[in-house]
Amino acid sequence: SYELTQPPSVSVSPGQTASITCSGDKLGDKYVCWYQQKPGQSPVLVIYQDNKRPSGIPDRFFGSNSGNTATLTISGTHTMDEADYYCQTWDSSTSYVFGTGTKVTVL
Amino acid sequence: QVQLVESGGGVVQPGRSLRLSCAASGFIFSSYDMHWVRQAPGKGLEWVALISYDGGKRYYADSVKGRFTISRDTSKNTLFLQMDSLRAEDTAMYYCARYNSGNYFDYWGQGTLVTVSS
Repeated sequence: SYELTQPPSVSVSPGQTASITCSGDKLGDKYVCWYQQKPGQSPVLVIYQDNKRPSGIPDRFFGSNSGNTATLTISGTHTMDEADYYCQTWDSSTSYVFGTGTKVTVL
Repeated sequence: QVQLVESGGGVVQPGRSLRLSCAASGFIFSSYDMHWVRQAPGKGLEWVALISYDGGKRYYADSVKGRFTISRDTSKNTLFLQMDSLRAEDTAMYYCARYNSGNYFDYWGQGTLVTVSS
């Protein structure tokens, strides 16, 4: 089965850059999207098709995908960006796959 | 605006059944594939099931195959998840989500909590 692996946690100081990786076999050959989930809330799409931002998502969120790794980068991190982040893709063997999730702490 | 509102969750004993609903509004329901995604307490997201826009295709995660059934009623703009033979490991928040043809979930409901416990 296809798996997406993320670091359990990332810490960043306000105003600095946070990078969250998502690793999977030949992930660069697939589309990746990213969801933000704050405590007690539903997931919110922040990046789709590797690097596109939905309407309303700040341009400090940036996505990339190449080789076996996709990366979500948050530049100039705000305290409001503190949340869990999940990558997601589709694979013919496992259908819709979510990453293991990364807790971003802004301190 | 797009709204997805789940209902039907609750506490149920192992082996029993439960039916979840998701009322959709603000978009042409019959034009979109719809999914159920769940999240166990303190855990990550897990895809559960998909039904195509016309109801003609249904797919399930291995963990629920043969026990859960996804369906939709286009006349009522409602998505369903019939859950039978429930197990403790099915305890989770269940979200319905709209799937965009560009390969992503663009709208999510607020979720409904299912607890399987004796």
